[in-house]
This record gives sequence, C-alpha cells and structure tokens, in this order.
Amino acid sequence: IAGITQAPTSQILAAGRRMTLRCTQDMRHNAMYWYRQDLGLGLRLIHYSNTAGTTGKGEVPDGYSVSRANTDDFPLTLASAVPSQTSVYFCASSDGGGGQGHTGELFFGEGSRLTVL
Amino acid sequence: GQNIDQPTEMTATEGAIVQINCTYQTSGFNGLFWYQQHAGEAPTFLSYNVLDGLEEKGRFSSFLSRSKGYSYLLLKELQMKDSASYLCAVLDSNYQLIWGAGTKLIIKP
Repeated sequence: IAGITQAPTSQILAAGRRMTLRCTQDMRHNAMYWYRQDLGLGLRLIHYSNTAGTTGKGEVPDGYSVSRANTDDFPLTLASAVPSQTSVYFCASSDGGGGQGHTGELFFGEGSRLTVL
Repeated sequence: GQNIDQPTEMTATEGAIVQINCTYQTSGFNGLFWYQQHAGEAPTFLSYNVLDGLEEKGRFSSFLSRSKGYSYLLLKELQMKDSASYLCAVLDSNYQLIWGAGTKLIIKP
C-alpha cells in the first residue's frame, strides 16, 4: 500500500538515550517533514526537507537532527532524549515544496508515540 | 506573531449540521487547509481554499473570507464516524504551514 511508513509505532526510553525514528515514503514526493503533536497545541514543525540532500529547521528543532540521503527516507534522531520530548511524532510528505512549506496537501504517517522517562 | 484560533471542543447530534470556525492572523496568505484527525490516527486532508467563497465536497464544505481572516468547515448529515478533531492550517507568505490546535467534535446519537 502506497504511503508513509513510520517506525517504531511506540517507544519508551530512558532520558539520555539516543533514539532514531524512521520514516519512509513510496510516493516519490520531494518534500518531507517531521512534526510533533502535543495535547492542546497545534502540530509543530521540527525539521523539513524540500528535496533529497537538503534539510532545514522548523519551529522547534533543538534536540533533534535529520538527514535526507535519498528521496524515500527521512529519519529523525534525538541525540540525548529528555522528558520534554515525550510526544507523538508525525512524518509527512508533499509533492512540491517551497521554503518550509509546500503548495499541496500533506500525507502523514501513522505516528510514533515516544515517552521519555 | 502568527495565530490560528479554533474552538477547543464542540458537540453535535447525529444527522444534524455543525460549523467549525477558524480565524487566523498570519504573515501573508497562500491558502487554508482543513484536516480531519481521528483519535490515535494521522491527520487526513479534507479541503484547501485559496480564493474567497465556498468549496463543497459531499457532506463537507469549506468557506473562506480572506478580508476577514476567517474560514469555516461545515459538516452536514452528521454521522458517528465524524467524531474526530478538525485541524485548520494556513500557508503564510513564506509557504510555512501554521496549524491551529484543532477542534474536537463529539457526535451524540
């Protein structure tokens, strides 16, 4: 089934540990994004990539890093997790891009629920 | 600063009509999106408005007034499966997507 796949679905980890959330899309979309979603807040952009080989910082990039080695994959890494990074993380993609945003609809993965203790 | 306002929660009855409002203050405007998000699931695209007026798509319609910084999502013939959160998002002049916190819609039989 075409779309975006995220892994893991859910994870509990100790503060200070390193964690990578994986994201793969098979729609050949140029732009990819990582958002976090917290109760009572809108989706907040962490990092984005307009095309393979380029990345940019979003609204809340501190403590996170990304890479875009190819069109399909866009992993998000927490170098040293802290409790404030407990959240639901969504990877998304869109066809086309422009700055931090895009002109088309976003396609989201099913999310990764991360708990940092 | 940039701001998107939506009601936190609304309740409606199955079979009825509900209107979810969204007001925005952003640096420029390049379009407004509505997404639906069921609990524990990913957001899914509902509509996109860039010109003033009403866009109808089945039971769902979305309205935009750029001069008023205002949009609404109209849901007709409500069904239990419409219970979800509805997210409003605006594309600003830098093509940055600004998200509202979402409106949780509860449908009662």
